[in-house]
Amino acid sequence: EPEVTQTPSHQVTQMGQEVILRCVPISNHLYFYWYRQILGQKVEFLVSFYNNEISEKSEIFDDQFSVERPDGSNFTLKIRSTKLEDSAMYFCASRPILGTSPLHFGNGTRLTVT
Amino acid sequence: SQQGEEDPQALSIQEGENATMNCSYKTSINNLQWYRQNSGRGLVHLILIRSNEREKHSGRLRVTLDTSKKSSSLLITASRAADTASYFCATDDYGQNFVFGPGTRLSVLP
Repeated sequence: EPEVTQTPSHQVTQMGQEVILRCVPISNHLYFYWYRQILGQKVEFLVSFYNNEISEKSEIFDDQFSVERPDGSNFTLKIRSTKLEDSAMYFCASRPILGTSPLHFGNGTRLTVT
Repeated sequence: SQQGEEDPQALSIQEGENATMNCSYKTSINNLQWYRQNSGRGLVHLILIRSNEREKHSGRLRVTLDTSKKSSSLLITASRAADTASYFCATDDYGQNFVFGPGTRLSVLP
């Protein structure tokens, strides 16, 4: 069964550095998402993306964050200048259509900012 | 924005028992979905119930939805140790986004 893949599985970075988290959504899916989960806490919506542009974004998704779909297969999340509080699991998800189709999640990237 | 809120936050039961988790939300929804997360992994979709449905079954899972109370429950019957995971409800408000609750951590003891 096709799956969403994320790389790397674990990223350690120093405060103030830029990080890029990578995702390959399922190939025929049209809607793409980033969520984050601080350890043991709730899954928080960051951003949704459709037709090469952001559809919705949360308050968390400030100017330090950006997303891109550079080549038709990869979907990336960039954090320009990381803060300690950005440490979390970041999950990419995709779905083929709206309505009743579920989200398909990758296994996440654990970001540790030191 | 609406949120699904699960209770209890944590639940510990013996293998073979039934586990019931509840979810409440705040505004009108198109559908409500339940997801499972094993430790350190991504979320996996379990079951979806539409706003015009009251109950749905899938294997050992039973989901109910009460739109008048804005609540849903997930029942796992005859639990197994492998059911140990966190369970999240997520609401779809006719938009593109899903809003997840804080989850219930289920421990099934052998």
